[in-house]
Amino acid sequence: EDKVVQSPLSLVVHEGDTVTLNCSYEVTNFRSLLWYKQEKKAPTFLFMLTSSGIEKKSGRLSSILDKKELFSILNITATQTGDSAIYLCAVGRGAQKLVFGQGTRLTINP
Amino acid sequence: SAVISQKPSRDICQRGTSLTIQCQVDSQVTMMFWYRQQPGQSLTLIATANQGSEATYESGFVIDKFPISRPNLTFSTLTVSNMSPEDSSIYLCSVEDGRVRNGYTFGSGTRLTVV
Repeated sequence: EDKVVQSPLSLVVHEGDTVTLNCSYEVTNFRSLLWYKQEKKAPTFLFMLTSSGIEKKSGRLSSILDKKELFSILNITATQTGDSAIYLCAVGRGAQKLVFGQGTRLTINP
Repeated sequence: SAVISQKPSRDICQRGTSLTIQCQVDSQVTMMFWYRQQPGQSLTLIATANQGSEATYESGFVIDKFPISRPNLTFSTLTVSNMSPEDSSIYLCSVEDGRVRNGYTFGSGTRLTVV
């Protein structure tokens, strides 16, 4: 059975801290790994990773994939209160289906 | 990214009734996906909607409970039938979006509460 596991499930830090969110997976027909930020209802796209070892960056956020060890991390540096959200990891399988992890609820305190 | 208009944004419904959720995309897409997010849970795929053919349902979801229409390449509906409180969830439609480097874009979501 396809499985995507995120850790930690919940994280509370102070503004300015750096956080690392983890995502491990066991999925058949792996196509891609995606990270999303969910603040209200609709997840918003952050990154899509398909190749090992290539870091993707967008401002203070970065992510990398390890296809040998079957995991990915999402880093957020110099966190701000606006980074408070649920971060979702999803793995794309063949036939364009996404399997989601449970999400990490990140809270940034001022 | 693709723009997806999803309606209604939220609704409170009586048990035993049905609700139809609509998603309109600003471009033609081959497949549309419907997800459910129960309170405190992650997203679970309900079905994949293809234009011109029946939707493909995931394990645990059936057409009688979640009928889907896909009349053209920009529009789809999901109906939640004979609702019970366990159907209280956020429902989301999604498309694979070439404009975000093959990421997937989601509609704004429908928060359904069944009383």
